[in-house]
Amino acid sequence: DAGVTQSPTHLIKTRGQQVTLRCSPKSGHDTVSWYQQALGQGPQFIFQYYEEEERQRGNFPDRFSGHQFPNYSSELNVNALLLGDSALYLCASTLSGELFFGEGSRLTVL
Amino acid sequence: AQSVTQPDIHITVSEGASLELRCNYSYGATPYLFWYVQSPGQGLQLLLKYFSGDTLVQGIKGFEAEFKRSQSSFNLRKPSVHWSDAAEYFCAAHTGTASKLTFGTGTRLQVTL
Repeated sequence: DAGVTQSPTHLIKTRGQQVTLRCSPKSGHDTVSWYQQALGQGPQFIFQYYEEEERQRGNFPDRFSGHQFPNYSSELNVNALLLGDSALYLCASTLSGELFFGEGSRLTVL
Repeated sequence: AQSVTQPDIHITVSEGASLELRCNYSYGATPYLFWYVQSPGQGLQLLLKYFSGDTLVQGIKGFEAEFKRSQSSFNLRKPSVHWSDAAEYFCAAHTGTASKLTFGTGTRLQVTL
């Protein structure tokens, strides 16, 4: 059984660009959430998707948006990138109250 | 505001020594509590969780944690540390929405041989 998979693993962008990160949840998991982990910090909740809708959102600007597809996979989009968006972006899927995390996508904004 | 605090940024222990990592929470009611471990370049792995009941919780890899309501704490312990335990440890909590975890800033554990 594959775990939570994310792509790409690493990417470099420049300020002002847009980025899309992708996540496939564990088999049978229908809820996906995204976290941002800046260097030296704990992960911060961005938002959660269930039934293709954003259900919960953390304290992140509208530049951060997402999507969930019928097969439960998800995308995180970040527009107008800032240097401060450089971080590890973690995707997690949920079953029975437990989160399973992917290995993350490391974004560097230059 | 709801928060999770890990007072120790970095801890160094010798292999075979005991370990205790501290975690304090600030919530109106007792939250659901978790400990995760993150190895370099890896995602987060759940070590253990506390929802209710017995205040001493057993987890994977020989870890345990004790919930103390009076101290708003949920400290992680291991009787004998192995070199492979070197990693970043995060305490986390939520109040009912399992996906919406609040994490502490983490404690980096270094193990000397």
